[in-house]
Amino acid sequence: EVQLVESGGGLVQPGRSLRLSCTAAGFTFGDYAMSWFRQAPGKGLEWVGFIRTKDYGGTTEYAASVKGRFSISRDDSKSIAYLQVNSLKTEDTAVYYCARDIRVAGTSDYYYYMDVWGKGTTVTVSS
Amino acid sequence: DIQMTQSPSSLSASVGDRVTITCRASQGISNYLAWFQQKPGKAPKSLIYAASSLQGGVPSKFFGSGSGTDFTLTISSLQPEDFATYYCQQYYSFPLTFGGGTKLEIK
Repeated sequence: EVQLVESGGGLVQPGRSLRLSCTAAGFTFGDYAMSWFRQAPGKGLEWVGFIRTKDYGGTTEYAASVKGRFSISRDDSKSIAYLQVNSLKTEDTAVYYCARDIRVAGTSDYYYYMDVWGKGTTVTVSS
Repeated sequence: DIQMTQSPSSLSASVGDRVTITCRASQGISNYLAWFQQKPGKAPKSLIYAASSLQGGVPSKFFGSGSGTDFTLTISSLQPEDFATYYCQQYYSFPLTFGGGTKLEIK
């Protein structure tokens, strides 16, 4: 069964850091790009960032709201995607989800849609 | 950034009804549009990709259509488990963006 499990969330003070993990099972992790999303309490879904597979450079994309503070990495040997969250602000309080991306070839580029999501891990930033 | 506008933001319907949710992109996105269902306290569930293709295991009561800037999600024969919040999302370009959500409630 394809499964994603997030971990690493918790209560943290403003300005501190956390590393969230997304552990995959049931598929060849290295063959898939991965995305992170978040949802603040009572709010909608927000895309956080994305990492391509090593075959496609392992490069990353980020939302403007987190660029420079958050970074995504992957360890294909452990089937884990990481979200390093630094300089946390109260507005970063949210449930953080990871999702598996399916790559499709377009006429001039590749596009990625999500199929499987994890259950999420909660990050609360408060003094 | 591409803005996604969903309507209505909330919708009341009865079991057995058919409902339609609309999503509009601020620029053309071809068919690079997905729909998600989310129940309170749960993770999103992927329903549709490429505007009209069902994800595995999703029943055919969910029907997506559209291309370019205008898209719809139609849910037929509503059952109690269908009452949830639905989001559209474009994956045509980064940053990926979502509509504001449509909360489907039981009348």
